Amino acid sequence: GIQVEQSPPDLILQEGANSTLRCNFSDSVNNLQWFHQNPWGQLINLFYIPSGTKQNGRLSATTVATERYSLLYISSSQTTDSGVYFCAVAVTQGGSEKLVFGKGMKLTVNP
Amino acid sequence: DAGVTQSPTHLIKTRGQHVTLRCSPISGHKSVSWYQQVLGQGPQFIFQYYEKEERGRGNFPDRFSARQFPNYSSELNVNALLLGDSALYLCASSSPGRNSPLHFGNGTRLTVT
Repeated sequence: GIQVEQSPPDLILQEGANSTLRCNFSDSVNNLQWFHQNPWGQLINLFYIPSGTKQNGRLSATTVATERYSLLYISSSQTTDSGVYFCAVAVTQGGSEKLVFGKGMKLTVNP
Repeated sequence: DAGVTQSPTHLIKTRGQHVTLRCSPISGHKSVSWYQQVLGQGPQFIFQYYEKEERGRGNFPDRFSARQFPNYSSELNVNALLLGDSALYLCASSSPGRNSPLHFGNGTRLTVT
């Protein structure tokens, strides 16, 4: 099956710093989503981005589908950005579409 | 509009018992998917249901089953619970159409002792 690799696995930042998260995937995908999972387990949609670039406040994402990677940028990080970030790609399996997740990247932003 | 709602939020069961988890999708969403997330890992696909029919199944044993009701809500059932079934169970819904983002509920945290 498709492999989804995220890097780095963990990151510790000081408040105000910028960061880039990378997601590589091993095969063509239908689409790609970035999620933030808070300490209570809630998965929050950040971006639905099968290709191109999108921005939402301090966050932006770029997916280059032809080269099978996506990047998530966090600028001017805040302590509330702490949590686990997941990249997930949508693939077709039989008659359904499922998300295949990476292992996640744990971000800690210190005040 | 309400998001995806799941119940219960937490559950403790003993080995060998049975559990039923419930999910209500976002209004207008006809597709419901279930995912299992064990500690330290990304969520793993269990089932997808669309219009009350199973459309896809992940690599899970037959102890796992699900169904979708006419109002598009869904239940996930797990029989003969094992310690390894302890996890966060996430339900997601999406609107009709091939390329639609998944929206997740807050999950049910199941502990098997």
